[in-house]
Amino acid sequence: SQQGEEDPQALSIQEGENATMNCSYKTSINNLQWYRQNSGRGLVHLILIRSNEREKHSGRLRVTLDTSKKSSSLLITASRAADTASYFCATDANSGYSTLTFGKGTMLLVS
Amino acid sequence: DSGVTQTPKHLITATGQRVTLRCSPRSGDLSVYWYQQSLDQGLQFLIQYYNGEERAKGNILERFSAQQFPDLHSELNLSSLELGDSALYFCASSPRAQVYNEQFFGPGTRLTVL
Repeated sequence: SQQGEEDPQALSIQEGENATMNCSYKTSINNLQWYRQNSGRGLVHLILIRSNEREKHSGRLRVTLDTSKKSSSLLITASRAADTASYFCATDANSGYSTLTFGKGTMLLVS
Repeated sequence: DSGVTQTPKHLITATGQRVTLRCSPRSGDLSVYWYQQSLDQGLQFLIQYYNGEERAKGNILERFSAQQFPDLHSELNLSSLELGDSALYFCASSPRAQVYNEQFFGPGTRLTVL
C-alpha cells in the first residue's frame, strides 16, 4: 500500500494564488521529499525535510512536517502557469533498507 | 536535464514478448533505482542497485529482472509481457546507497504492450 497519500487529488487555482497540498503517511520516517512531475515527464526533486525538522523553505516553496500527525504540507506561493504539474510526496521509512514510497500525487492546474 | 538518460523513449511491443530498458545514471552516482508508473498503481518502486549489487527490492514481478554493469549503467528486462505491463518506466540515480537524499530521475521509457 502507498505510504504517502496526497490531498487533494486535484487542485485548480488562478495565477498569483497560493496552492497548498497535503500528504499523510503511515509509519515512522527518516525524511519526506516532494517532487514535481510535468505531464508524462521525469520527476524533479523540489525539497527534502528531515524528521527532526518542522518547516523548510526554498524560494516560493514552504514545506511543513508534523511527525505526530504523520503529515506534511507543501505550499506554493504566488503560483504561476509554469507550476502546473503533478506533485508527489515521497517518504523514506525508518526501517531496514529504506526505499522511497510515493503517493499518488496532487494534480495542480494554474490558469 | 537531470543527467540521467534512458533509452528508448517509447517502446511498442506485443504480449508475450521481452524488452530491455536501459538507464545511464548521472556521472558519479552509484545507486540506480527503477520505478513503474501507471494510472491505477501510481509510482511503484521496483528495484535498487548500488555499485553493481542489488540493494533493495520493491514490487517487482518475477518476470522482471535488472542488473547494473561495471560502468554503472543499468538495464531492466521485462519478459512474457502482459497488457498490464504498459506503463512509464523511470530510472533514477543518487550518489549513495541510502535514500536520505534526493533522487535524480530520467525522462522515462513509455512501454505499450498490445
